[in-house]
Amino acid sequence: DAMVIQNPRYQVTQFGKPVTLSCSQTLNHNVMYWYQQKSSQAPKLLFHYYDKDFNNEADTPDNFQSRRPNTSFCFLDIRSPGLGDAAMYLCATSRDLGVNTQYFGPGTRLTVL
Amino acid sequence: AQTVTQSQPEMSVQEAETVTLSCTYDTSENNYYLFWYKQPPSRQMILVIRQEAYKQQNATENRFSVNFQKAAKSFSLKISDSQLGDTAMYFCAFSTGNQFYFGTGTSLTVIP
Repeated sequence: DAMVIQNPRYQVTQFGKPVTLSCSQTLNHNVMYWYQQKSSQAPKLLFHYYDKDFNNEADTPDNFQSRRPNTSFCFLDIRSPGLGDAAMYLCATSRDLGVNTQYFGPGTRLTVL
Repeated sequence: AQTVTQSQPEMSVQEAETVTLSCTYDTSENNYYLFWYKQPPSRQMILVIRQEAYKQQNATENRFSVNFQKAAKSFSLKISDSQLGDTAMYFCAFSTGNQFYFGTGTSLTVIP
């Protein structure tokens, strides 16, 4: 059974056109993360939510925003996608912060035309 | 600052053989966890094995085991009896407090 679900799996957008990626979880975990992963690179953490508390990584561009309306759902909003934002976006969850295992979704591959 | 280093960008192994992937890390923390994640070509990242820093005993999960050397800050992954399904990118990761760090990954190919 899927535990971390990401929709859509593939997303195509135009340069500068806002796009929203979705993540949901059935694990009832407190923490949800968004990572950006470019080809052949390690995932790069963009931000995470601990419950409703939002934590932004220092080098995450302002172009990236996130919303967590409830425990199960978390959204990644890219306000004005640039060509450099084309990547795989991974959502992950963990029961708590830090030492807990993270469970990853299958990712959404974003293409920017 | 915490860092995770995987010095082997690519490796290959013959099917049924054993391979070891290396990982080193740097931290001043005393309490932390280490992880190996596998990312197959389908791209979903899954946990392979994890190790608590306060445990001296090396973690084992079926064909996967680690060699954790705390003093040397080394955390290598040994895959025994390699299978074609082990072909994937393997990421070493380190976690403490609010932070989670990935290494740059090792691409492992199992050759039939």
